[in-house]
Amino acid sequence: KAGVTQTPRYLIKTRGQQVTLSCSPISGHRSVSWYQQTPGQGLQFLFEYFSETQRNKGNFPGRFSGRQFSNSRSEMNVSTLELGDSALYLCASSLGVGLAIYEQYFGPGTRLTVT
Amino acid sequence: TQLLEQSPQFLSIQEGENLTVYCNSSSVFSSLQWYRQEPGEGPVLLVTVVTGGEVKKLKRLTFQFGDARKDSSLHITAAQPGDTGLYLCAGPTGGTSYGKLTFGQGTILTVHP
Repeated sequence: KAGVTQTPRYLIKTRGQQVTLSCSPISGHRSVSWYQQTPGQGLQFLFEYFSETQRNKGNFPGRFSGRQFSNSRSEMNVSTLELGDSALYLCASSLGVGLAIYEQYFGPGTRLTVT
Repeated sequence: TQLLEQSPQFLSIQEGENLTVYCNSSSVFSSLQWYRQEPGEGPVLLVTVVTGGEVKKLKRLTFQFGDARKDSSLHITAAQPGDTGLYLCAGPTGGTSYGKLTFGQGTILTVHP
């Protein structure tokens, strides 16, 4: 079974631009969660989507948004990029229901650098 | 707010030594997960512990969930250079949604040959 894939793997953007990151979950997984990882703050939860609906949201500004499509693929968008948005953005998928709903499987991440 | 505190933050040991990483909270968790992450990659799920007092073994790795489900530990026996990485504990904190995990700050383990 293929794992979680994220594209692109690396991205360099300029302050003020916007960016869209993509995530394809493991086949059969309906929940997709996004996290931001930085050396100072560690791994922080951004939001979770399940069946195309946002089910949970972290404490990030409205510049961070996401969506999920009917095939469970998800995208996250960051508008008006700031230098502090430079981070590794991780996507994780899980079944979303049942006994193992808390087991999340991560993709390799997208390394975003804002200059 | 449910927080997870990991200790130590850094661990540098020689091949063959044993080590223990701790993950503590003042809150009860329904489960805790342990992940290992290598530079430039996403975390890889090692184990999930669910029952208070539960012990799970994965080859040289032993994971324990505290009786009160507020803490967990990871013990590695006879560490090898391949064990080098960032070890993270995490627990669900999204209420009825298990898609939100709160992570500890991590333990960076370096095993020298």
